Amino acid sequence: AQSVTQPDIHITVSEGASLELRCNYSYGATPYLFWYVQSPGQGLQLLLKYFSGDTLVQGIKGFEAEFKRSQSSFNLRKPSVHWSDAAEYFCAVAPDNYGQNFVFGPGTRLSVLP
Amino acid sequence: EPEVTQTPSHQVTQMGQEVILRCVPISNHLYFYWYRQILGQKVEFLVSFYNNEISEKSEIFDDQFSVERPDGSNFTLKIRSTKLEDSAMYFCASSDTGQSNQPQHFGDGTRLSIL
Repeated sequence: AQSVTQPDIHITVSEGASLELRCNYSYGATPYLFWYVQSPGQGLQLLLKYFSGDTLVQGIKGFEAEFKRSQSSFNLRKPSVHWSDAAEYFCAVAPDNYGQNFVFGPGTRLSVLP
Repeated sequence: EPEVTQTPSHQVTQMGQEVILRCVPISNHLYFYWYRQILGQKVEFLVSFYNNEISEKSEIFDDQFSVERPDGSNFTLKIRSTKLEDSAMYFCASSDTGQSNQPQHFGDGTRLSIL
């Protein structure tokens, strides 16, 4: 069965600093990968997705992620964090069939210091 | 931008009572989903729904749960005889084609508190 791990439960960075959130997956086939962000009291908003092609994908709010098959990773990055980026970030894997469930990682909570 | 809407935002219910959580998916979407997030834990899949029937469900989705699309716009999750451990945030999602390379669009969730 597929699984997703996010090794960092909580990360704190200073505003303006760079950010990398780690995501590793366990899945036999080519995965479809997503990053979602959840602000306090809000739903899940899609940041970006990868399913083929260029392994570096750009998303909204200045985020990007790189798919590395050899490392089974899909790390999320941002060169300069803003205070409004403080939220919970979830990596998700989708199986390669129709109408099926996403498997979410446990999430990484990001705190931003002024 | 069209969005998934969920009502109510917060539901408080006595243990043993039935509760219905409501969702209005994005209008041209065909696949619908319910997920659950217990406080402090990860988002867990409950069920997916297409063409008026369940296409997949998780082990969590037992006989206590049911889903329905009563009309052309609403998608509901019913929990019969609620238990304390049903307290969680429940998210509805929808997608247009159901292909796994298409993102699921999530609502803001309903916080269910069982007393």
